[in-house]
Amino acid sequence: AQSVTQPDIHITVSEGASLELRCNYSYGATPYLFWYVQSPGQGLQLLLKYFSGDTLVQGIKGFEAEFKRSQSSFNLRKPSVHWSDAAEYFCADANFGNEKLTFGTGTRLTIIP
Amino acid sequence: DVKVTQSSRYLVKRTGEKVFLECVQDMDHENMFWYRQDPGLGLRLIYFSYDVKMKEKGDIPEGYSVSREKKERFSLILESASTNQTSMYLCASSGRETQYFGPGTRLLVL
Repeated sequence: AQSVTQPDIHITVSEGASLELRCNYSYGATPYLFWYVQSPGQGLQLLLKYFSGDTLVQGIKGFEAEFKRSQSSFNLRKPSVHWSDAAEYFCADANFGNEKLTFGTGTRLTIIP
Repeated sequence: DVKVTQSSRYLVKRTGEKVFLECVQDMDHENMFWYRQDPGLGLRLIYFSYDVKMKEKGDIPEGYSVSREKKERFSLILESASTNQTSMYLCASSGRETQYFGPGTRLLVL
């Protein structure tokens, strides 16, 4: 069965520091991978997605993610975080054809001054 | 911009009540989804629909039903609410392999 693992439940980063959130997927075929962000009390907003092509994907709010098939990973990065980036981040994998998503359990990001 | 709206942001209901959660999308998407979100468990799929009057069970359908009478509207029904259905409920619609989410409904069952 398809699964997505986000090994870090909670990460704390200083404002201005770099960020990397980890995501590993298990589905063997070409994955369709997504990162979503959820601010407190809100729905999920799409940050970026990878379907094929260039393995480094640019998203909104200055985020990027790199697809590494050899490591089954799709880690999210940002070179310099802002206090407004404090939120919960979800990685997800899609089954092509029915658009169902399998989500990781999320990583909560705290930003300290 | 894709817009997915949910009828309520917060709901408080009593055990045994019938509860309706409504979701509307304005992008003419065929696929719509209902999830529940609980701390430490991420999002779990309850039901989804590929078209009007079409529905399929997700990973946790027990205690829930759905209705899709019009393409833009997908309703989640709790036939007899229980305290273990206290949760955040998120609706999504999808087009071109991407899901777009509503703001969520936080349901408290007392």
